[in-house]
Amino acid sequence: DGGITQSPKYLFRKEGQNVTLSCEQNLNHDAMYWYRQDPGQGLRLIYYSQIVNDFQKGDIAEGYSVSREKKESFPLTVTSAQKNPTAFYLCASSIDSPHRGSQPQHFGDGTRLSIL
Amino acid sequence: AQSVTQPDIHITVSEGASLELRCNYSYGATPYLFWYVQSPGQGLQLLLKYFSGDTLVQGIKGFEAEFKRSQSSFNLRKPSVHWSDAAEYFCAVGAGGTGFQKLVFGTGTRLLVSP
Repeated sequence: DGGITQSPKYLFRKEGQNVTLSCEQNLNHDAMYWYRQDPGQGLRLIYYSQIVNDFQKGDIAEGYSVSREKKESFPLTVTSAQKNPTAFYLCASSIDSPHRGSQPQHFGDGTRLSIL
Repeated sequence: AQSVTQPDIHITVSEGASLELRCNYSYGATPYLFWYVQSPGQGLQLLLKYFSGDTLVQGIKGFEAEFKRSQSSFNLRKPSVHWSDAAEYFCAVGAGGTGFQKLVFGTGTRLLVSP
């Protein structure tokens, strides 16, 4: 079955350490997204990518970085510059049609990041 | 830019009772509207979407939503709630028209189901 796989499910970060969250999709979707979820704040967009080798900052990109070298993969790195990284991170994907505006997003099961 | 408000943080409903979750949006033209459900520790699952046409939209798991332009609302309903419906529900709004558009999510409503 097609879907989005996020790994690991749980991740712990030490002070000053960068960590990378994996996101892989086999839905043949062009667009991919990273969200951060904190209690009571809903989903906030970190980065998104419409096409391979291109990505844009979302609303809370500071302290994060991404790459999009393959259509299927959109890893997120939480850098040491992100001072409050403890959150639930969700990856999503959607088709990207130039004639159809917003499209439904399909989500992975998330990665919970905590600070040691 | 579009925005969405879910005014209820928590709602408790008795099993078998009807449910309505509120969603109000702000957008200058006809929006694209979505409802998602999230179980604890899981990702979001799409329940239903509205793009155009019939304002009453049917979704999965017996849910429906009605788009009311005059009230800028897209409330989610279910006639009889089951214990398995306990979860967090998110409304999202996107821009229509051509070109790539992001979704904006509400802060969610947590549904509790009492026996």
